[in-house]
Amino acid sequence: AQKITQTQPGMFVQEKEAVTLDCTYDTSDPSYGLFWYKQPSSGEMIFLIYQGSYDQQNATEGRYSLNFQKARKSANLVISASQLGDSAMYFCAMRGDSSYKLIFGSGTRLLVRP
Amino acid sequence: NAGVTQTPKFRVLKTGQSMTLLCAQDMNHEYMYWYRQDPGMGLRLIHYSVGEGTTAKGEVPDGYNVSRLKKQNFLLGLESAAPSQTSVYFCASSYSGQGEAEQYFGPGTRLTVT
Repeated sequence: AQKITQTQPGMFVQEKEAVTLDCTYDTSDPSYGLFWYKQPSSGEMIFLIYQGSYDQQNATEGRYSLNFQKARKSANLVISASQLGDSAMYFCAMRGDSSYKLIFGSGTRLLVRP
Repeated sequence: NAGVTQTPKFRVLKTGQSMTLLCAQDMNHEYMYWYRQDPGMGLRLIHYSVGEGTTAKGEVPDGYNVSRLKKQNFLLGLESAAPSQTSVYFCASSYSGQGEAEQYFGPGTRLTVT
């Protein structure tokens, strides 16, 4: 079985500071992928970043980076230089290569303070 | 490109009524998915399709049916709506079901069953 756990229901960060959103996962698949999505108050799901389980380096996309620690089964999202527009729900998700299914965590609501 | 579109955006049903949600994508993607999102939870997979004419069950398929008669369309049906099906429904598509293939999401349909 696959499972994603996001233990932070809500977080605050000051504008221009960095913030880390936690994600741990569990899977029996030897090969898998990890995704982060952003859901602003308007409701759409926006893809942010992907990390493959065999990727040697941590993924980065602009201000987003993924702190991937395979032995600890964690895939934390780091947002640098937070902006007011970063206020949103953030979802971690996983897909094992034996399945087409994307399994989502329960999300973390981030609020950026001016 | 419109990406992934969903029709309708909002709907209110009475218990026992039926309806069909339409999802369309113009990216020539093989894979399509239907999710539901309930308050305080991540997305849960209802049904998915790996190609035209194919469908498969996800995590929470009971009470729903789907059809994929054309590659670009994926329909979600509720034969006899129940209050427990009040939710936001998201459709998604991807070019592959594995690896770094991200899922592209539609804007969502907010369904209320009274």
